[in-house]
Amino acid sequence: DAKTTQPNSMESNEEEPVHLPCNHSTISGTDYIHWYRQLPSQGPEYVIHGLTSNVNNRMASLAIAEDRKSSTLILHRATLRDAAVYYCILRDVAGTASKLTFGTGTRLQVTL
Amino acid sequence: GAGVSQSPSNKVTEKGKDVELRCDPISGHTALYWYRQSLGQGLEFLIYFQGNSAPDKSGLPSDRFSAERTGGSVSTLTIQRTQQEDSAVYLCASSFKGGGGKLFFGSGTQLSVL
Repeated sequence: DAKTTQPNSMESNEEEPVHLPCNHSTISGTDYIHWYRQLPSQGPEYVIHGLTSNVNNRMASLAIAEDRKSSTLILHRATLRDAAVYYCILRDVAGTASKLTFGTGTRLQVTL
Repeated sequence: GAGVSQSPSNKVTEKGKDVELRCDPISGHTALYWYRQSLGQGLEFLIYFQGNSAPDKSGLPSDRFSAERTGGSVSTLTIQRTQQEDSAVYLCASSFKGGGGKLFFGSGTQLSVL
């Protein structure tokens, strides 16, 4: 499985933008880049995904490097409710890959 | 249902007892995953079902763990002769096949083995 590397933790002030990096140097051409987040005492929830082009949705933006070996999840204005563990994973185009590896993710702390 | 449903939400059992954890995936989702998350840790893959294909059991930690998926829908994870190290949150997720496969997770079952 292609692996991802993320910083263990990051801090942000409320209402500031947050850029969460993810390295995936062994990504294959058929892998989507997915981001999930896990709020305290909850199951992970989907945030955003993309293949090659940058993506925007109501929760966040995803910036994908031209060589696709890294990506950045962007929260435009962090709130206290965004404090969570953020996971970057790779998912094949067919959606059939087994053994999806989540890693330890980035724990985001948001302060007033 | 609107989302992935797991039951029970909490289970306390005595060491040596068997437990069954249930997952109801979103209707129509062909893929189903089980993960385990110990306190303060990341998600540990356990088993994966995709349609009628043979499941990928490579993440099951021992032969005390087994899972089945009946009729391509509901799945049951069984842990026999539970041990204290089995205490964790057991999470189920489902997805469509194709299109990058967005995963939908349940809220998990908190298992405590005394």
